[in-house]
Amino acid sequence: DAGITQSPRYKITETGRQVTLMCHQTWSHSYMFWYRQDLGHGLRLIYYSAAADITDKGEVSDGYVVSRSKTENFPLTLESATRSQTSVYFCASSLGDITDTQYFGPGTRLTVL
Amino acid sequence: AQSVTQPDIHITVSEGASLELRCNYSYGATPYLFWYVQSPGQGLQLLLKYFSGDTLVQGIKGFEAEFKRSQSSFNLRKPSVHWSDAAEYFCAVVPGYSSASKIIFGSGTRLSIRP
Repeated sequence: DAGITQSPRYKITETGRQVTLMCHQTWSHSYMFWYRQDLGHGLRLIYYSAAADITDKGEVSDGYVVSRSKTENFPLTLESATRSQTSVYFCASSLGDITDTQYFGPGTRLTVL
Repeated sequence: AQSVTQPDIHITVSEGASLELRCNYSYGATPYLFWYVQSPGQGLQLLLKYFSGDTLVQGIKGFEAEFKRSQSSFNLRKPSVHWSDAAEYFCAVVPGYSSASKIIFGSGTRLSIRP
Protein backbone atom coordinates (compact mmCIF):
# COMPACT_ATOMS: atom_id res chain seq x y z
CA ASP A 1 0.00 0.00 0.00
CA ALA A 2 1.97 3.00 -1.32
CA GLY A 3 -0.37 5.65 0.10
CA ILE A 4 0.57 9.09 -1.08
CA THR A 5 3.81 9.78 -2.88
CA GLN A 6 5.51 12.90 -4.18
CA SER A 7 8.19 13.30 -6.81
CA PRO A 8 10.80 14.51 -7.01
CA ARG A 9 11.78 14.72 -3.34
CA TYR A 10 14.37 17.39 -4.07
CA LYS A 11 14.56 19.82 -6.96
CA ILE A 12 16.85 22.69 -7.82
CA THR A 13 15.85 24.95 -10.67
CA GLU A 14 16.51 28.42 -11.99
CA THR A 15 14.38 31.52 -12.04
CA GLY A 16 12.00 31.57 -14.98
CA ARG A 17 11.92 27.83 -15.58
CA GLN A 18 8.74 25.77 -15.50
CA VAL A 19 8.66 23.10 -12.81
CA THR A 20 6.09 20.38 -12.16
CA LEU A 21 5.77 18.60 -8.86
CA MET A 22 3.94 15.31 -8.92
CA CYS A 23 1.55 13.83 -6.39
CA HIS A 24 0.01 10.38 -6.55
CA GLN A 25 -2.33 8.63 -4.11
CA THR A 26 -3.50 5.03 -4.16
CA TRP A 27 -6.55 5.36 -1.89
CA SER A 28 -9.01 6.85 -4.40
CA HIS A 29 -9.51 9.77 -2.05
CA SER A 30 -11.80 12.46 -3.41
CA TYR A 31 -9.96 15.50 -2.09
CA MET A 32 -6.37 16.44 -2.77
CA PHE A 33 -4.40 19.44 -1.58
CA TRP A 34 -1.16 21.28 -2.21
CA TYR A 35 0.57 23.26 0.53
CA ARG A 36 3.79 25.11 0.88
CA GLN A 37 5.67 25.23 4.15
CA ASP A 38 7.91 28.17 4.99
CA LEU A 39 9.58 29.02 8.27
CA GLY A 40 7.28 31.12 10.41
CA HIS A 41 4.25 30.57 8.21
CA GLY A 42 3.24 27.02 8.91
CA LEU A 43 1.44 25.43 5.98
CA ARG A 44 -0.36 27.57 3.47
CA LEU A 45 -2.88 26.13 1.06
CA ILE A 46 -2.02 26.65 -2.60
CA TYR A 47 -4.77 24.70 -4.39
CA TYR A 48 -7.16 21.93 -3.64
CA SER A 49 -9.36 19.61 -5.63
CA ALA A 50 -12.67 18.05 -4.62
CA ALA A 51 -12.66 15.53 -7.46
CA ALA A 52 -11.26 14.95 -10.93
CA ASP A 53 -11.58 18.11 -13.02
CA ILE A 54 -12.65 20.20 -10.00
CA THR A 55 -10.03 22.51 -8.52
CA ASP A 56 -10.09 25.67 -6.42
CA LYS A 57 -7.62 28.25 -5.26
CA GLY A 58 -6.20 28.44 -1.80
CA GLU A 59 -4.52 31.21 0.11
CA VAL A 60 -1.37 31.52 -2.06
CA SER A 61 -2.26 30.38 -5.58
CA ASP A 62 -0.55 33.10 -7.64
CA GLY A 63 2.16 31.66 -9.88
CA TYR A 64 0.90 28.09 -9.57
CA VAL A 65 -1.27 25.92 -11.81
CA VAL A 66 -2.87 22.57 -11.05
CA SER A 67 -4.77 19.95 -12.96
CA ARG A 68 -6.58 16.79 -12.00
CA SER A 69 -7.52 14.66 -14.97
CA LYS A 70 -7.39 11.47 -12.89
CA THR A 71 -8.51 10.97 -9.30
CA GLU A 72 -5.13 9.64 -8.19
CA ASN A 73 -2.89 12.37 -9.59
CA PHE A 74 -2.65 16.05 -8.71
CA PRO A 75 0.37 17.74 -10.31
CA LEU A 76 1.42 21.25 -9.30
CA THR A 77 3.16 23.42 -11.90
CA LEU A 78 5.16 26.55 -11.31
CA GLU A 79 4.82 28.26 -14.68
CA SER A 80 7.82 30.56 -14.27
CA ALA A 81 9.66 29.85 -11.04
CA THR A 82 10.71 32.71 -8.79
CA ARG A 83 13.04 32.74 -5.79
CA SER A 84 10.09 33.38 -3.51
CA GLN A 85 8.75 29.97 -4.49
CA THR A 86 11.69 28.25 -2.79
CA SER A 87 9.90 26.14 -0.21
CA VAL A 88 8.91 22.68 0.90
CA TYR A 89 5.77 21.53 -0.87
CA PHE A 90 3.38 19.01 0.61
CA CYS A 91 0.61 17.15 -1.10
CA ALA A 92 -2.24 15.68 0.93
CA SER A 93 -5.43 13.78 0.32
CA SER A 94 -8.62 13.09 2.23
CA LEU A 95 -11.39 10.60 1.69
CA GLY A 96 -14.22 13.01 2.29
CA ASP A 97 -14.41 16.74 2.38
CA ILE A 98 -12.37 19.63 3.72
CA THR A 99 -13.13 18.61 7.32
CA ASP A 100 -11.91 15.05 6.91
CA THR A 101 -8.53 13.75 8.04
CA GLN A 102 -5.80 14.69 5.61
CA TYR A 103 -2.97 12.29 4.80
CA PHE A 104 0.26 13.94 3.81
CA GLY A 105 3.02 12.99 1.43
CA PRO A 106 6.69 13.23 2.41
CA GLY A 107 7.19 16.59 0.76
CA THR A 108 9.29 18.05 -2.06
CA ARG A 109 12.05 20.50 -1.24
CA LEU A 110 12.28 23.01 -4.10
CA THR A 111 15.08 25.51 -4.45
CA VAL A 112 14.86 28.26 -7.06
CA LEU A 113 18.20 29.90 -7.81
CA ALA B 1 -9.05 39.07 9.95
CA GLN B 2 -9.67 35.41 10.50
CA SER B 3 -6.60 33.70 11.95
CA VAL B 4 -5.11 30.82 13.85
CA THR B 5 -2.47 31.68 16.43
CA GLN B 6 0.04 29.45 18.09
CA PRO B 7 1.77 31.85 20.48
CA ASP B 8 4.72 29.61 21.32
CA ILE B 9 7.27 29.17 18.55
CA HIS B 10 9.46 26.77 20.52
CA ILE B 11 8.92 24.91 23.78
CA THR B 12 11.33 22.67 25.68
CA VAL B 13 10.10 20.28 28.34
CA SER B 14 11.76 17.53 30.30
CA GLU B 15 10.98 13.93 29.50
CA GLY B 16 8.15 12.77 31.75
CA ALA B 17 6.85 16.29 32.32
CA SER B 18 3.41 17.46 31.27
CA LEU B 19 2.85 19.47 28.11
CA GLU B 20 0.39 22.07 26.95
CA LEU B 21 0.55 23.68 23.51
CA ARG B 22 -1.65 26.68 22.90
CA CYS B 23 -3.90 27.42 19.96
CA ASN B 24 -6.28 30.34 19.56
CA TYR B 25 -8.52 31.18 16.67
CA SER B 26 -10.55 34.19 15.66
CA TYR B 27 -13.75 33.02 13.98
CA GLY B 28 -17.30 33.82 14.94
CA ALA B 29 -18.90 30.40 14.87
CA THR B 30 -17.50 27.18 16.25
CA PRO B 31 -15.02 26.00 13.68
CA TYR B 32 -13.70 22.54 12.95
CA LEU B 33 -10.44 22.17 14.88
CA PHE B 34 -7.44 19.92 14.32
CA TRP B 35 -4.00 19.19 15.71
CA TYR B 36 -1.36 17.72 13.42
CA VAL B 37 2.20 16.62 14.23
CA GLN B 38 5.19 16.73 11.93
CA SER B 39 8.28 14.69 12.76
CA PRO B 40 11.56 15.89 11.26
CA GLY B 41 11.68 15.36 7.52
CA GLN B 42 8.17 13.95 7.40
CA GLY B 43 4.73 14.99 6.32
CA LEU B 44 2.01 15.82 8.84
CA GLN B 45 -0.06 13.30 10.77
CA LEU B 46 -3.42 13.97 12.43
CA LEU B 47 -3.37 13.73 16.22
CA LEU B 48 -7.01 14.61 16.90
CA LYS B 49 -9.92 16.71 15.75
CA TYR B 50 -13.01 18.39 17.18
CA PHE B 51 -16.28 19.07 15.44
CA SER B 52 -18.92 19.10 18.16
CA GLY B 53 -20.01 17.36 21.35
CA ASP B 54 -17.68 16.64 24.26
CA THR B 55 -15.18 19.47 24.44
CA LEU B 56 -12.37 17.18 25.62
CA VAL B 57 -11.07 15.18 22.69
CA GLN B 58 -8.77 12.18 22.90
CA GLY B 59 -6.24 11.55 20.18
CA ILE B 60 -3.45 9.22 19.25
CA LYS B 61 -0.13 8.88 21.10
CA GLY B 62 -1.70 9.87 24.43
CA PHE B 63 -2.60 13.41 23.39
CA GLU B 64 -5.81 15.23 24.23
CA ALA B 65 -7.18 18.68 23.50
CA GLU B 66 -9.86 20.80 25.06
CA PHE B 67 -12.11 23.19 23.17
CA LYS B 68 -12.99 26.29 25.16
CA ARG B 69 -15.50 28.44 23.32
CA SER B 70 -15.24 31.34 25.76
CA GLN B 71 -11.49 31.59 25.16
CA SER B 72 -11.56 30.65 21.46
CA SER B 73 -8.89 28.09 22.30
CA PHE B 74 -8.08 24.50 21.47
CA ASN B 75 -5.02 23.63 23.53
CA LEU B 76 -3.19 20.35 23.15
CA ARG B 77 -2.07 18.46 26.24
CA LYS B 78 -0.14 15.38 27.24
CA PRO B 79 0.37 14.29 30.85
CA SER B 80 3.86 12.85 30.36
CA VAL B 81 5.99 13.47 27.28
CA HIS B 82 8.40 10.99 25.74
CA TRP B 83 11.55 11.78 23.78
CA SER B 84 9.75 10.59 20.65
CA ASP B 85 7.27 13.46 21.01
CA ALA B 86 9.92 15.92 19.82
CA ALA B 87 8.38 17.34 16.65
CA GLU B 88 6.52 20.33 15.27
CA TYR B 89 2.86 20.67 16.16
CA PHE B 90 0.30 22.49 14.07
CA CYS B 91 -3.15 23.62 15.00
CA ALA B 92 -5.56 23.94 12.08
CA VAL B 93 -9.04 25.34 11.63
CA VAL B 94 -11.82 25.06 9.08
CA PRO B 95 -13.93 28.14 9.81
CA GLY B 96 -17.25 26.65 8.80
CA TYR B 97 -18.64 23.89 6.69
CA SER B 98 -19.48 25.02 3.19
CA SER B 99 -18.28 24.37 -0.31
CA ALA B 100 -16.04 27.41 0.04
CA SER B 101 -14.47 26.44 3.38
CA LYS B 102 -10.72 26.17 3.45
CA ILE B 103 -8.36 24.84 6.10
CA ILE B 104 -6.00 27.28 7.78
CA PHE B 105 -2.92 26.18 9.69
CA GLY B 106 -1.18 27.97 12.51
CA SER B 107 2.52 28.70 12.21
CA GLY B 108 3.45 25.76 14.41
CA THR B 109 5.14 25.09 17.76
CA ARG B 110 8.40 23.21 17.82
CA LEU B 111 8.68 20.87 20.80
CA SER B 112 12.06 19.81 22.14
CA ILE B 113 12.48 17.23 24.89
CA ARG B 114 15.12 17.61 27.55
CA PRO B 115 16.55 14.21 28.64
